Amino acid sequence: EVQLLESGGGLVQPGGSLRLSCAAYGFTFSSYATAWVRQAPGKGLEWVSIISGSGGSTSYADSVKGRFTISRDNSKNTLYLQMNSLRAEDTAVYYCAKGRSGYYSDLVVWGQGTLVTVSS
Amino acid sequence: EIVLTQSPGTLSLSPGERATLSCRVSQSVSSSYLAWYQQKSGQAPRLLIYGASNRATGIPDRFSGSGSGTDFTLTISRLEPEDFAVYYCQQYGSSRALTFGGGTKVEI
Repeated sequence: EVQLLESGGGLVQPGGSLRLSCAAYGFTFSSYATAWVRQAPGKGLEWVSIISGSGGSTSYADSVKGRFTISRDNSKNTLYLQMNSLRAEDTAVYYCAKGRSGYYSDLVVWGQGTLVTVSS
Repeated sequence: EIVLTQSPGTLSLSPGERATLSCRVSQSVSSSYLAWYQQKSGQAPRLLIYGASNRATGIPDRFSGSGSGTDFTLTISRLEPEDFAVYYCQQYGSSRALTFGGGTKVEI
């Protein structure tokens, strides 16, 4: 079964850092682009970042560019999101999601999400 | 920047009725790279439709997508109780980003 499992969320102070992980199961991880999408409490979905299957290409939403870094370790079937200089507006549930094919794509499988709360 | 506008914001219907959800894109979406997702309260989104009109694996045929260019529609032919949820459209064919619409809530 194709599955994604996020971890690493929690409470962090403004200006702090956090690293999210997303473990992938049931498919050839290195063959697919993978994305992070977030959802602030009571709000809609916001794309955060995407990385190609090889890890050689990355893109970011303007709202996180320069503060967040997406990466992957294909030997561990794991996706990461390093979040620095966190702000209150970064508070959200963060989902990882697997693309269908290519780079920019529809998102076929989603994890259950991990909650990040930025507050003093 | 591409903007996706979904309407209406809320759709109040009864089980068995037909639901028609709209997604308007500020720029033409190449190759109909438009997807629809369903999200129930407390759950992750689930892919319903990709390529504007292709049902994802396991999605019932009461869900259908149509449209091209800048105007897209998700239709639920006969609402089942489990269909009451929030629906999002997403484009992945234009600009160097994935973009979501603001969502339409389908409520009883």
